[in-house]
Amino acid sequence: EDQVTQSPEALRLQEGESSSLNCSYTVSGLRGLFWYRQDPGKGPEFLFTLYSAGEEKEKERLKATLTKKESFLHITAPKPEDSATYLCAVRTGANSKLTFGKGITLSVRP
Amino acid sequence: DAGVTQSPTHLIKTRGQHVTLRCSPISGHKSVSWYQQVLGQGPQFIFQYYEKEERGRGNFPDRFSARQFPNYSSELNVNALLLGDSALYLCASSWVGEETQYFGPGTRLLVL
Repeated sequence: EDQVTQSPEALRLQEGESSSLNCSYTVSGLRGLFWYRQDPGKGPEFLFTLYSAGEEKEKERLKATLTKKESFLHITAPKPEDSATYLCAVRTGANSKLTFGKGITLSVRP
Repeated sequence: DAGVTQSPTHLIKTRGQHVTLRCSPISGHKSVSWYQQVLGQGPQFIFQYYEKEERGRGNFPDRFSARQFPNYSSELNVNALLLGDSALYLCASSWVGEETQYFGPGTRLLVL
């Protein structure tokens, strides 16, 4: 059974204080690893898809990386508007099923 | 461009009742998936539909059912509601053959 573990559960940063969010996974046959951002009471907003170890993708202050066992979401010089829950998910089978971690709640203080 | 839309946004039901939730995918997307998200957890996969056929099913009881229409919109039905069915129900759509799914805003269901 696919397993996704995200750490830490919660992270509080000062504005401008860079950090990384971790997603470790145990799967057989990874077809994709996904990062989403979710604001309270809203649906997840797509950030990145990574397919193979060594792949990296960037968008504004965010950078996602992938190894064979984990993925990192690096946040450079975060701003208060980056405060949200960040979800990691994997896809392995032929259907569209995503297996999610519990998410990391990020709070950025001004 | 319009994203995934869901209706209603909020719903309150009592135990034992039935509920129908609706989803319209992004234009051109033919695959629709449903997820349940309880507070403090990540979303859990319920169903995938493509070309009006069920293509995948998560670990949910038979009280949960869904269907897809010729215009690729979808309905999720839940019978005999339990208190534990209270959650945010999310719909996601994707291009066939593409891995990335795009989520709607969700329907918040409260069962009393």
